[in-house]
Amino acid sequence: AQSVSQHNHHVILSEAASLELGCNYSYGGTVNLFWYVQYPGQHLQLLLKYFSGDPLVKGIKGFEAEFIKSKFSFNLRKPSVQWSDTAEYFCAVNAYSSASKIIFGSGTRLSIRP
Amino acid sequence: KAGVTQTPRYLIKTRGQQVTLSCSPISGHRSVSWYQQTPGQGLQFLFEYFSETQRNKGNFPGRFSGRQFSNSRSEMNVSTLELGDSALYLCASSLDGTSTNEKLFFGSGTQLSVL
Repeated sequence: AQSVSQHNHHVILSEAASLELGCNYSYGGTVNLFWYVQYPGQHLQLLLKYFSGDPLVKGIKGFEAEFIKSKFSFNLRKPSVQWSDTAEYFCAVNAYSSASKIIFGSGTRLSIRP
Repeated sequence: KAGVTQTPRYLIKTRGQQVTLSCSPISGHRSVSWYQQTPGQGLQFLFEYFSETQRNKGNFPGRFSGRQFSNSRSEMNVSTLELGDSALYLCASSLDGTSTNEKLFFGSGTQLSVL
């Protein structure tokens, strides 16, 4: 069964700092990978997704993620964070063998100091 | 286009009671998934419905059940509530869930408190 690990539970950064949130998944087959974000008081929404092709994926608001198959990782990055990036970030995996069963990680809370 | 609608927004129940939560997906979406969100646990997959059939199921006890109606609206039921069932229950919809790169659209959730 697939699973997702997010090792950082709470990250605190100052504005303009660079961000990298870790995500590792366990599944031997082909997967699609996602990052979702939940801003305070808002719905969960898609930040970016990888399904094929270029392993470096660009999403909204300057976020990007790199799929490294050999490491089973899909880390989220942003070169310079803003206060408005304060949110909870969830990594998710959807295995080809069980489409429609999207498994999420435990989430990383990002706090940005103004 | 209206988003995913979940009712009620808040619920307070006592141990042993049962509860029913409702979810109306985005118009045209036929796949509905349910998740339990708790601090530190993230989103735990409960089940997914498509065309009134449960297509996938997570690792929750049988007290958690669901169904989907012909108009794609879905309900989730929890019987014999336990304190540990206190959580935010999220519903998400997608077109048909057969494509693994489909995006999920989430509702605001139902915050269930079990006393």
